[in-house]
Amino acid sequence: AQKITQTQPGMFVQEKEAVTLDCTYDTSDQSYGLFWYKQPSSGEMIFLIYQGSYDEQNATEGRYSLNFQKARKSANLVISASQLGDSAMYFCAMSTYGQNFVFGPGTRLSVLP
Amino acid sequence: NAGVTQTPKFRILKIGQSMTLQCTQDMNHNYMYWYRQDPGMGLKLIYYSVGAGITDKGEVPNGYNVSRSTTEDFPLRLELAAPSQTSVYFCASSRPGTSGTTGELFFGEGSRLTVL
Repeated sequence: AQKITQTQPGMFVQEKEAVTLDCTYDTSDQSYGLFWYKQPSSGEMIFLIYQGSYDEQNATEGRYSLNFQKARKSANLVISASQLGDSAMYFCAMSTYGQNFVFGPGTRLSVLP
Repeated sequence: NAGVTQTPKFRILKIGQSMTLQCTQDMNHNYMYWYRQDPGMGLKLIYYSVGAGITDKGEVPNGYNVSRSTTEDFPLRLELAAPSQTSVYFCASSRPGTSGTTGELFFGEGSRLTVL
């Protein structure tokens, strides 16, 4: 069965600093996709970044980058130059063959002024 | 472009009542999903569908039913509501990804259900 683990229930970061949110995954499939979503206090789910299992380069989207270490089965999200608006819940998720799409328990990020 | 639309946004049910959460998408996506999110928790997959006429159970299907008669619509039926079904429900849709996986999910705004 596919599983996502996020071991940091909560994280604090100072404004303008970088922060890394951890994500490890478990699957026996060779083909899979890894995603990060942001959920602000308003409740909507916002897609941030995607990494395919066959992608050789780490994905980047603006201030977001995904540190993909396939052998360790980790897909950590790095947010550079944190902003107050980055305070939110962050979810790591995985899609595997068969269109199953599972989420981790999330990490609550608080950006301090 | 409406994207994924869920109705109702809020609902209060009494124990034992039944209801249907509606979900429709206008992006011609094949894949559709229903999740529930309990307070402070992650999203749990209830059911998903890879196309009209095809549905599959997710992690927490008990107490729910779905149907997919068209590409656009994926309603979620709650039978005999219980307090444990108090949650926020999200519908999502997606196009195929690479190598048999799924692309990014596009989410509705969520439906907050309370069972008293």
